[in-house]
Amino acid sequence: AQTVTQSQPEMSVQEAETVTLSCTYDTSESDYYLFWYKQPPSRQMILVIRQEAYKQQNATENRFSVNFQKAAKSFSLKISDSQLGDAAMYFCAYWHNQAGTALIFGKGTTLSVSS
Amino acid sequence: DTAVSQTPKYLVTQMGNDKSIKCEQNLGHDTMYWYKQDSKKFLKIMFSYNNKELIINETVPNRFSPKSPDKAHLNLHINSLELGDSAVYFCASSQTSGGHLTYEQYFGPGTRLTVT
Repeated sequence: AQTVTQSQPEMSVQEAETVTLSCTYDTSESDYYLFWYKQPPSRQMILVIRQEAYKQQNATENRFSVNFQKAAKSFSLKISDSQLGDAAMYFCAYWHNQAGTALIFGKGTTLSVSS
Repeated sequence: DTAVSQTPKYLVTQMGNDKSIKCEQNLGHDTMYWYKQDSKKFLKIMFSYNNKELIINETVPNRFSPKSPDKAHLNLHINSLELGDSAVYFCASSQTSGGHLTYEQYFGPGTRLTVT
């Protein structure tokens, strides 16, 4: 069975600094997708970034980028130039994306941002 | 123009009651999901429907019964509510077959259920 592990329950960063959130996963599949979701206090699940396993190039979305190491089954999220609005809970998730499968989430990392 | 909507957003009820949460998506997706986020914020799949057919049914008490009247709607009915059912319930949708596959799931705003 697939599993997703986020080993950092809490992280903190200062405004304008860079922070990296860690995620490891376990799967025997070769074709899958990895995601980082942000959940602010409003509880809305917001997709931050997506990585297709078949792509070697790391995904980037503005200040957010990932370090995808397929062989090591590692998928970390880097947030550059952190802003107060980045404070939230961040979930790493895995999806095989076939009928009969669902997102498998890590336990989340609470990120606080200080000014 | 909400893509995935849920009603109600908040639900406070007493133990033993029966309640329903409704979900609708206007994205034309063929697959819908119910996830539960517990008090420790852990998110886990409960059910999934593909074209009105139940395809995921995780280990969930029989008091929980999903129903999908059509591809755009997925409801969750909970009988004999218990304190432990207090959680946030998220609906999501995706397209997993045919053309225009989506490579992400689109989430509703969540329903916070509080059982007293």
